[in-house]
Amino acid sequence: DGGITQSPKYLFRKEGQNVTLSCEQNLNHDAMYWYRQDPGQGLRLIYYSQIVNDFQKGDIAEGYSVSREKKESFPLTVTSAQKNPTAFYLCASSPNTNSGNQPQHFGDGTRLSIL
Amino acid sequence: GQQVMQIPQYQHVQEGEDFTTYCNSSTTLSNIQWYKQRPGGHPVFLIQLVKSGEVKKQKRLTFQFGEAKKNSSLHITATQTTDVGTYFCAGPWAGNKLTFGGGTRVLVKP
Repeated sequence: DGGITQSPKYLFRKEGQNVTLSCEQNLNHDAMYWYRQDPGQGLRLIYYSQIVNDFQKGDIAEGYSVSREKKESFPLTVTSAQKNPTAFYLCASSPNTNSGNQPQHFGDGTRLSIL
Repeated sequence: GQQVMQIPQYQHVQEGEDFTTYCNSSTTLSNIQWYKQRPGGHPVFLIQLVKSGEVKKQKRLTFQFGEAKKNSSLHITATQTTDVGTYFCAGPWAGNKLTFGGGTRVLVKP
């Protein structure tokens, strides 16, 4: 079955700690995205990548970092600089770089909380 | 930047009744997409509208794209408990991104 796998499902971060959220896709999609969703809110774009070894900041990139070393993988690191990291993080992908005109496929998400 | 707004933010509807939720963009859109997110779940793509005035139906759901391609609506007839969730519209931004509206949260009273 093709899809997007996010892990872990739940994650707890201690003060001053960096944590990394995993996102893997086997859809052979070029474009991948990370969104943050706060309770009762919409989706806000953190980072996106259209091709391997390239990525762009979204609307709320401060305190986050990403890498795209492989087409299938787009991990997100929530750094200690992100002072309010508690949220639901969603990874998505779309077939190619004209992705504003294509549906996005989402993973099941990771819920991050501060200890 | 582009803004996509949805109203209402919350929709409480009696089971069996109809309702409509609206999506408005600050700019003209080449297309609009609708997604549904069940409670505790992730957004799932429902439909994409491309043409001015386009109307598409999926069973009890009717989607419409405005003539000026700046607004869209989702109408649900005979609401069922399976319709519970948040419905998001999204429009393209800068060619390779989507801007999501804030969503309409639908609660169904049995």
